[in-house]
Amino acid sequence: DAGVTQSPTHLIKTRGQQVTLRCSPISGHKSVSWYQQVLGQGPQFIFQYYEKEERGRGNFPDRFSARQFPNYSSELNVNALLLGDSALYLCASSLTAGERFEQYFGPGTRLTVT
Amino acid sequence: AQSVAQPEDQVNVAEGNPLTVKCTYSVSGNPYLFWYVQYPNRGLQFLLKYITGDNLVKGSYGFEAEFNKSQTSFHLKKPSALVSDSALYFCADTGTASKLTFGTGTRLQVTL
Repeated sequence: DAGVTQSPTHLIKTRGQQVTLRCSPISGHKSVSWYQQVLGQGPQFIFQYYEKEERGRGNFPDRFSARQFPNYSSELNVNALLLGDSALYLCASSLTAGERFEQYFGPGTRLTVT
Repeated sequence: AQSVAQPEDQVNVAEGNPLTVKCTYSVSGNPYLFWYVQYPNRGLQFLLKYITGDNLVKGSYGFEAEFNKSQTSFHLKKPSALVSDSALYFCADTGTASKLTFGTGTRLQVTL
């Protein structure tokens, strides 16, 4: 079975632009979460979606938005990019939304904002 | 409030020796604790979790972790380290929400 997949692997954007990152969860997993990992730090929670509904949101500005589709895949959108948005964006899927369930991470999308 | 702390930025160990990567937690209610490993240019891989039950949790790749309530610790251990274990290790917890809150990470360096 395929693990969590993310696209693109890398991308470079300029300040002010918009970006869309994509994630496909493990087959059968209904929950998708997004994390931002700045170089040298641990991942920071951005969003969780379960059954197409937002279940949690981290301390990120409204420039960050996400959605989940009927097939449980998800997109993360970031508008008006800032240099500080440069990071590894990780998607994680879990069987369901709940604190006891382990999350499985994709390889990430490396976003560079210049 | 939930949080985990990893007091060591880096741990160095010789191959074949036992390793310990430390994690302490501060959480109200029942802690749900996880260990993840990150290899260069890759995402995080799940190693093990503690929910309830036995204080010694066995995970992937020969790793185990011991939950100690009196010391509020959840240290990651392996009896015999391999060079291939060299990576970045993250302790994390969840609380009443299912979001993972990660520690700052500990870089493990295993040398021959």
